[in-house]
Amino acid sequence: DAVMTQSPLSLPVSLGQPASISCRSSQSLVKSDGNTDLSWFQQRPGQSPRRLIYQVSNRDSGVPDRFSGSGSGTDFTLKISRVEAEDVAVYYCMQYTHWPHTFGQGTKVDIK
Amino acid sequence: EVQLSESGGDLVQPGGSLRLSCAASGFTLGNYWMGWVRQAPGKGLEWVANIHPSGSGDYYVDSVKGRFTVSRDNTKNSLFLQMNSLRDSDTATYYCVRGGGGADYWGQGTLVTVSS
Repeated sequence: DAVMTQSPLSLPVSLGQPASISCRSSQSLVKSDGNTDLSWFQQRPGQSPRRLIYQVSNRDSGVPDRFSGSGSGTDFTLKISRVEAEDVAVYYCMQYTHWPHTFGQGTKVDIK
Repeated sequence: EVQLSESGGDLVQPGGSLRLSCAASGFTLGNYWMGWVRQAPGKGLEWVANIHPSGSGDYYVDSVKGRFTVSRDNTKNSLFLQMNSLRDSDTATYYCVRGGGGADYWGQGTLVTVSS
């Protein structure tokens, strides 16, 4: 299975400051068609997960542009350019190139 | 508006069975891979099963293989997860998700508790 490793697991951030979450895969996530199936999800307290980013860097409709995804191969990053109070949540990366699809452990972002 | 609504979660004894349902609306179910993802209390996410749009193929994580069966009825806009031989470790909120991996829409989840 592709093991997804996130860091840090806890990220206290001051309002208006940037935040960055790393996600590393134990296997390359590049498919034979050249696409890379890596998504980021946000789970606010008491809510279902919500997809923010798909295929590394494509933002879902309605997702603020302060969220961005980047990376390639086995190393990926989610960045929040300026953290707002509503961004307090646990963030997960997930690969769906390989079966079984696997998630990172989650990174808890809260306000410092 | 795309909506997914799970039901069927309950308290069940180890070794017991349960069938979860997911009612889909706002899109044509038969056009999409569908999946089930679970989350143990206070823990992370685990993708459990996927099913082809026509129901012709299904895939399972090793921990549930041989015990869980995913199925669908596209005519009734419904997805199902039959869970047999339940274990304490199956205790979780189970989410219905659209997309075999895309997971662009999630339901609100239904809680399954396996305990004696």
